[in-house]
Amino acid sequence: DAGVTQSPTHLIKTRGQHVTLRCSPISGHKSVSWYQQVLGQGPQFIFQYYEKEERGRGNFPDRFSARQFPNYSSELNVNALLLGDSALYLCASSLQAGANVLTFGAGSRLTVL
Amino acid sequence: AQSVTQLGSHVSVSEGALVLLRCNYSSSVPPYLFWYVQYPNQGLQLLLKYTTGATLVKGINGFEAEFKKSETSFHLTKPSAHMSDAAEYFCAAYAMRFGAGTRLTVKP
Repeated sequence: DAGVTQSPTHLIKTRGQHVTLRCSPISGHKSVSWYQQVLGQGPQFIFQYYEKEERGRGNFPDRFSARQFPNYSSELNVNALLLGDSALYLCASSLQAGANVLTFGAGSRLTVL
Repeated sequence: AQSVTQLGSHVSVSEGALVLLRCNYSSSVPPYLFWYVQYPNQGLQLLLKYTTGATLVKGINGFEAEFKKSETSFHLTKPSAHMSDAAEYFCAAYAMRFGAGTRLTVKP
């Protein structure tokens, strides 16, 4: 079975641009969560979606948005990119929302110049 | 608000020595607790989890952790370190709050 897949794996953007990151969960998993991991720090929670509805939101500005599709895949969108948005963006899937075991993808590394 | 604190951003041990990585949580309600490992250029992989019941939890690769409510701790241990254990380790509460991580180095 395929694990959590994320695309793209690496990307470079300039300040002010917009980026869309994509995630496909493990088959049967209905919840997707997004995390930002800045170099040298732990993952910071951005969003959790379950059955296409937002179930949790971390302390991130409105420039960050996400959605979940009927097939449970998800997109993370970041507008008006700042240098500080440079990070590894991790997607994780789980059977349900809440405090469940997360299975992580390898991440999308975003560099903002 | 719940928070997770990992004591020591970097731990170095010799191969065969005891590994002890420290994690404390702040919450009036015992949370669900997790330890994850991250190898370079990879996502996080679950080592073990505590939800309810037995306070000593065994995980993969010989790791185990003990939940101590009185100390609000969930320290990760392994009796004998192996070179392949070198990685970044993260403690998490409620699957949404992660500690800053501890980098484990294993010396030959």
